[in-house]
Amino acid sequence: QSVLTQPPSVSGAPGQRVTISCTGSSSNIGAGYDVHWYQQFPGTAPKLLIYGNINRPSGVPDRFSGSNSGTSASLAITGLQAEDEADYYCQSYDNSLSGSRVFGGGTKLTVL
Amino acid sequence: EVQLLESGGGLVQPGGSQRLSCAASGFTFSNHVMSWVRQAPGKGLEWVSTISGSGGGTYYADSVKGRFTISRDNSKSTLSLHMNSLRADDTAVYYCAKEPSLDGSGTYYENNWFDPWGQGTLVTVSS
Repeated sequence: QSVLTQPPSVSGAPGQRVTISCTGSSSNIGAGYDVHWYQQFPGTAPKLLIYGNINRPSGVPDRFSGSNSGTSASLAITGLQAEDEADYYCQSYDNSLSGSRVFGGGTKLTVL
Repeated sequence: EVQLLESGGGLVQPGGSQRLSCAASGFTFSNHVMSWVRQAPGKGLEWVSTISGSGGGTYYADSVKGRFTISRDNSKSTLSLHMNSLRADDTAVYYCAKEPSLDGSGTYYENNWFDPWGQGTLVTVSS
């Protein structure tokens, strides 16, 4: 059971907009800790997609955006492309667990 | 270019030990907090352990506390993870990851993220 909760799967057609939620609690996202997002393709290492809630590393298309509110965060992908089909993970910090970075369980994005 | 190259994975019996290494290059190693993150087959990501730039601060997930030891050799730009009393549920791909250095001090910050990640090394615990 992950500390951060994500939907197991989401899907969308090419060109559409999808969002992936990441729900936490008062000891992590709700406490004001930043949320970061990673993209992972099968058999490869995760890649940073969003850091500090809303920031994109260089090279990440502006089709990807992050937001958060209260005890939840969201990753939005607009103009969905076939190459976006991957697993997505949120990550934050939890102050109820010493030194603990925490991840969401991951969301599989399927492009229909 | 930042590169992280893990090694040391393999098949180990339950109760056994294994040492993983991560060779870093392309950045000033001692200025960065470093972490290990693992992923069991077909499962999600799990943070394992983090070490400050100096090595003076170490942090562990409850699932590995008392069994795993993280360390670093800044003179060799190498991160290590010593794993003891291994169990079947420790079977996973282990990734090393670099954390950002906002002030060049290698200080641990709660809001850090992981970037980049190494390619991972598979540890299989089985008899």
